[in-house]
Amino acid sequence: DAGVTQSPTHLIKTRGQQVTLRCSPKSGHDTVSWYQQALGQGPQFIFQYYEEEERQRGNFPDRFSGHQFPNYSSELNVNALLLGDSALYLCASSLMEGAGARPDTQYFGPGTRLTVL
Amino acid sequence: LAKTTQPISMDSYEGQEVNITCSHNNIATNDYITWYQQFPSQGPRFIIQGYKTKVTNEVASLFIPADRKSSTLSLPRVSLSDTAVYYCLVGGLSGGYNKLIFGAGTRLAVHP
Repeated sequence: DAGVTQSPTHLIKTRGQQVTLRCSPKSGHDTVSWYQQALGQGPQFIFQYYEEEERQRGNFPDRFSGHQFPNYSSELNVNALLLGDSALYLCASSLMEGAGARPDTQYFGPGTRLTVL
Repeated sequence: LAKTTQPISMDSYEGQEVNITCSHNNIATNDYITWYQQFPSQGPRFIIQGYKTKVTNEVASLFIPADRKSSTLSLPRVSLSDTAVYYCLVGGLSGGYNKLIFGAGTRLAVHP
């Protein structure tokens, strides 16, 4: 059973460019969340997708956008890259439990290391 | 979501029990307490989750006092491979959806 996969592993871009990161969720999962983790800090929530719609969003500018496909995979797009966007981008998948009050357990991928020069 | 406070770093030795305490004074009635572990250049990994009293699995135990304003992650007999960052998260579902709010975490270093 494959876990969460992300591509590419590493990426180098220059300021002003655009980047697309990809994520395939764990088998059976329907929800994908994206996080940004700067060096030495905890992951910061970017947004979450369920049923191909953005359901929640963290404190990130509109330069960060995403998409979820019918097969539950997801993309994170970042436009007009800044030096400060250099980070490890993590994708996490979970199964929407619905009525239960217990938070869904999120399974993380290995991340994509983005370097902006 | 409730803010958490945990030690920045801890040191231990192989074979010892490690207890990492997290403070969450503003925890809400519907909030759960969840711990994640992260190794360098990897994504966080779920360790354990609880609401009250004690929860135990094959990896760790989680102790939550009656007032739920703090919690303690207990790692029995740690090994070098337990060297990692440990995150305490407090929260529940919001509108049916949950998001994880990570703090800075606790860097645990296990020495031979």
